[in-house]
Amino acid sequence: ILNVEQSPQSLHVQEGDSTNFTCSFPSSNFYALHWYRWETAKSPEALFVMTLNGDEKKKGRISATLNTKEGYSYLYIKGSQPEDSATYLCASHTSGTYKYIFGTGTRLKVLA
Amino acid sequence: EAGVVQSPRYKIIEKKQPVAFWCNPISGHNTLYWYLQNLGQGPELLIRYENEEAVDDSQLPKDRFSAERLKGVDSTLKIQPAELGDSAVYLCASSFTGPDTQYFGPGTRLTVL
Repeated sequence: ILNVEQSPQSLHVQEGDSTNFTCSFPSSNFYALHWYRWETAKSPEALFVMTLNGDEKKKGRISATLNTKEGYSYLYIKGSQPEDSATYLCASHTSGTYKYIFGTGTRLKVLA
Repeated sequence: EAGVVQSPRYKIIEKKQPVAFWCNPISGHNTLYWYLQNLGQGPELLIRYENEEAVDDSQLPKDRFSAERLKGVDSTLKIQPAELGDSAVYLCASSFTGPDTQYFGPGTRLTVL
């Protein structure tokens, strides 16, 4: 994988459903993987920064895992709420550079 | 702690007009970034500053885009003249140092008619 890819591009879930998205990134020269939540008309909000293979991070109902050997990260939302509706961006950070490579995001809509 | 501030939030101009965007980073953050986000795409880096020095401007279209960060704090990104294809969201971000987590402003949504 040369680019950062996110899937799905968009999804709609019902309130209370749990959901997850995928971020695939280049595994060579890995330094860190960042997750952001971007609500409409607001600033992208940093959710997690993950650096170690096997890392798991949690913030409330949102959690993320990291596999640096195969180059993927999962973001999980448990019991989705309408306020979780946003675009979730991941960004790969390669060692030796300061450049983030962003995916195109997953647009989540939680229906009440 | 105040976040990254950008202005204006929205700008509509006609093609060939100039436009400028302003960014005030988080206090104490030495590294400042300008990103371009086209519809349906992830943000792409235009320029990175370490204090007042532009250390990576390889993706900045220098024929029409310019940027400055006087005194190593606020920054301005300018487009002159604007083209239809410049319609996008322009995001500013800052970090304490280069490898640290980047914190973003709300962006400026530019529409060129």
